[in-house]
Amino acid sequence: DIQMTQSPSSLSASVGDRVTITCQASHDIHRNLNWYHQKPGKAPNLLIYDGVDLETGVTSRFSGDGMGTEFTFTISSLQPEDIGTYYCQQYSRLPLTFGGGTKVQIK
Amino acid sequence: QVQLLESGPGLVKPSETLSLTCGVSGYLISDGYYWGWVRQAPGKGLEWIGHFYYGEEPYFNPSLKSRITLSGDTSRNQLSLKMISVTAADSAVFFCARFRGNCVTTSCQIDSWGQGLLVTVST
Repeated sequence: DIQMTQSPSSLSASVGDRVTITCQASHDIHRNLNWYHQKPGKAPNLLIYDGVDLETGVTSRFSGDGMGTEFTFTISSLQPEDIGTYYCQQYSRLPLTFGGGTKVQIK
Repeated sequence: QVQLLESGPGLVKPSETLSLTCGVSGYLISDGYYWGWVRQAPGKGLEWIGHFYYGEEPYFNPSLKSRITLSGDTSRNQLSLKMISVTAADSAVFFCARFRGNCVTTSCQIDSWGQGLLVTVST
């Protein structure tokens, strides 16, 4: 299985801060990566697909980058509604696997 | 807009069979897309269970394949998940989901999710 390692596991930042989350794959996954946001008690929500493409209707404050084994997800200006846990997910090879999550809180 | 809603028992005894259904509205499961399930143990991350295109063989997580059955019912426009021989380790929130792409030969994303159903395995 392809292991996905996210860092940090949690972070606390101020409103307006730039926030970056890293996702590392155990094998080259090209750009076969998605990012999701999950609020407590809710289902995840697709934000970024194919590594860099913004899902329709998702704010442009979110962006994704990377290729191969190293990927980043960035919030350009953190807002209160951005709190929750962010997950990366690879689809280069079955089984589909997710990162362990990064919990984002407001300082 | 597609909506998915899981239903089933919230409590299952160890060694028994877990049966969940997912009602889909706003889109016919036979019209396209892939459909499947993801689970999340309490306080843990997400785990893919499997997905399928209506009328085709499903793709399963190898760690669960021997215990899982996935199916679709077009008369009710719903998905079903059966998991046999459950243990406490299977306790989780189960999400049904729509997959955009097959994840094998094409790109794939989970673009719609049910609200999730907590299933606890306990005596």
